[in-house]
Amino acid sequence: GAVVSQHPSRVICKSGTSVKIECRSLDFQATTMFWYRQFPKKSLMLMATSNEGSKATYEQGVEKDKFLINHASLTLSTLTVTSAHPEDSSFYICSAPDRTASEKLFFGSGTQLSVL
Amino acid sequence: SQQGEEDPQALSIQEGENATMNCSYKTSINNLQWYRQNSGRGLVHLILIRSNEREKHSGRLRVTLDTSKKSSSLLITASRAADTASYFCATEQGAQKLVFGQGTRLTINP
Repeated sequence: GAVVSQHPSRVICKSGTSVKIECRSLDFQATTMFWYRQFPKKSLMLMATSNEGSKATYEQGVEKDKFLINHASLTLSTLTVTSAHPEDSSFYICSAPDRTASEKLFFGSGTQLSVL
Repeated sequence: SQQGEEDPQALSIQEGENATMNCSYKTSINNLQWYRQNSGRGLVHLILIRSNEREKHSGRLRVTLDTSKKSSSLLITASRAADTASYFCATEQGAQKLVFGQGTRLTINP
């Protein structure tokens, strides 16, 4: 099946720094990718839809200046958490639909962000 | 907004027993999907059932869909320790954008 690679898997940073998370589709092209956030033992909350070559679409309540999304190519989307604070600590997961596999999504392995 | 709600939130059973999880949703759907998440990992697609289907099988998985009740169930037969994970149902809110339920944390005891 299709593979989505997410990096890094874990990051610890100091408050005020920015952190970039990469999401790559390894064997297929993804014009759209989705970024989710997940709190411990909770469900996934959709943050934004990343669109190749255009601006990301953010869900209501998600600060676009805090969570910068760039989809520069058909295989790479990045999420940058700017000026991270402890409340941004969370598990971030990206996903991409494979056109040949229709409606289902393929997920990265997630990034655990801890802001000290 | 969250669409699917799973029931129960947590389930603990003995290896070899069957596990049943339920999902309810609020709006009309084209399909409903089930995903599995191992602790601290991404999600893996298990099965998709379309709105015109009532039941679907995949190995030890059996999914049912009742559109009149806006509910679905996932049955895992002959459970194994490796089935320990969280299970989520998901419905589409346009353009492949999935909304996930709260999930069921399944623990299989050896």
